[in-house]
Amino acid sequence: GNSVTQMEGPVTLSEEAFLTINCTYTATGYPSLFWYVQYPGEGLQLLLKATKADDKGSNKGFEATYRKETTSFHLEKGSVQVSDSAVYFCALTGGKLIFGQGTELSVKP
Amino acid sequence: NAGVMQNPRHLVRRRGQEARLRCSPMKGHSHVYWYRQLPEEGLKFMVYLQKENIIDESGMPKERFSAEFPKEGPSILRIQQVVRGDSAAYFCASSPRASDDTDTQYFGPGTRLTVL
Repeated sequence: GNSVTQMEGPVTLSEEAFLTINCTYTATGYPSLFWYVQYPGEGLQLLLKATKADDKGSNKGFEATYRKETTSFHLEKGSVQVSDSAVYFCALTGGKLIFGQGTELSVKP
Repeated sequence: NAGVMQNPRHLVRRRGQEARLRCSPMKGHSHVYWYRQLPEEGLKFMVYLQKENIIDESGMPKERFSAEFPKEGPSILRIQQVVRGDSAAYFCASSPRASDDTDTQYFGPGTRLTVL
């Protein structure tokens, strides 16, 4: 069946550092891929998405490219801020959403 | 345009009681999904509903859990005879049509259920 695997956290970075959170998937067909972000005590907010191979989703300085050959959708940001501290979930859909386990990011001033 | 609304935001029940969680989708959305987030875990799909129909309940526990989305009113997730293991955050999401590869699900703030 379909599945998503994310790098384990927590990830701790200093402000303005480069961020990569790895995400790989297993799926039949060609699902859409998503990154959601969850701030403490809140629901999930869509961060970005890509619907087909080689698409790049981007939002608020975050980027991820749909790589069919490596079945990956890694999240990157060139310069993180303290306000980016949250839990990040990679997900794919073929109807229902299938989530990775989440990666907690903590950015220190 | 109001987002997905869930209530209550926090719910405390004693073992054996019933829990009723409500979800009002975004305006114009007719598809509702429920997910559960257990402590220190990711989100797991529970059920997908359209108005008056359950489309996919493959993630629902076989006993004590039920869901509905009536013609009028919010979607309800009902948990009967709650146990401590039901303590979790329950999230509702909605989409404007069947969530195929191009549609996005929008999430509510969640209901955090605590079973004493």
